[in-house]
Amino acid sequence: EDKVVQSPLSLVVHEGDTVTLNCSYEVTNFRSLLWYKQEKKAPTFLFMLTSSGIEKKSGRLSSILDKKELFSILNITATQTGDSAIYLCAVHSGAGSYQLTFGKGTKLSVIP
Amino acid sequence: ETGVTQTPRHLVMGMTNKKSLKCEQHLGHNAMYWYKQSAKKPLELMFVYSLEERVENNSVPSRFSPECPNSSHLFLHLHTLQPEDSALYLCASSQDRAGLRQFFGPGTRLTVL
Repeated sequence: EDKVVQSPLSLVVHEGDTVTLNCSYEVTNFRSLLWYKQEKKAPTFLFMLTSSGIEKKSGRLSSILDKKELFSILNITATQTGDSAIYLCAVHSGAGSYQLTFGKGTKLSVIP
Repeated sequence: ETGVTQTPRHLVMGMTNKKSLKCEQHLGHNAMYWYKQSAKKPLELMFVYSLEERVENNSVPSRFSPECPNSSHLFLHLHTLQPEDSALYLCASSQDRAGLRQFFGPGTRLTVL
């Protein structure tokens, strides 16, 4: 059974801090790993990673995948209160499969 | 704006009621999905439709019944639900058949009394 584990489950930081969120996975036929941000209800797409060692970057957010060690990290630098959300990691696996296996998420709270 | 809308946004129902959740995508996508999100649990995939055909069904109880009349609309019909079915129900759609990048709707918060 495919498995995605995120850590920590929750995190409280002050504005300006840098945070690293972790996602490890055990899946058959890995295809890609995705990060989503869920603020109130709808998860919104952040990154999709398919190749090892290539950093994806968008503003203060960046992510990298290690396919050998089966994990990914999401970094947020100079955090702001608007970064407070649940960050979801999902892995797409299996040829022809539509299924994304999600982790439980990391709840990030950024306090002023 | 994700281009995926869901109604209603909130629903409270008794165990004997019958209700339906609606999802509409305005993105021209080929695949649509129903997910359940319960507190402290990962998002669970319930159903997948591709070009209006159900392609995955993850052992969901029969009290949940999906319907996909066309590629833009997806319904989830609910009947004789249990209190443990209370959760956030999210609809998503994707362009490609691989379902790699899914766009989510705002969800329906369902409470079963």
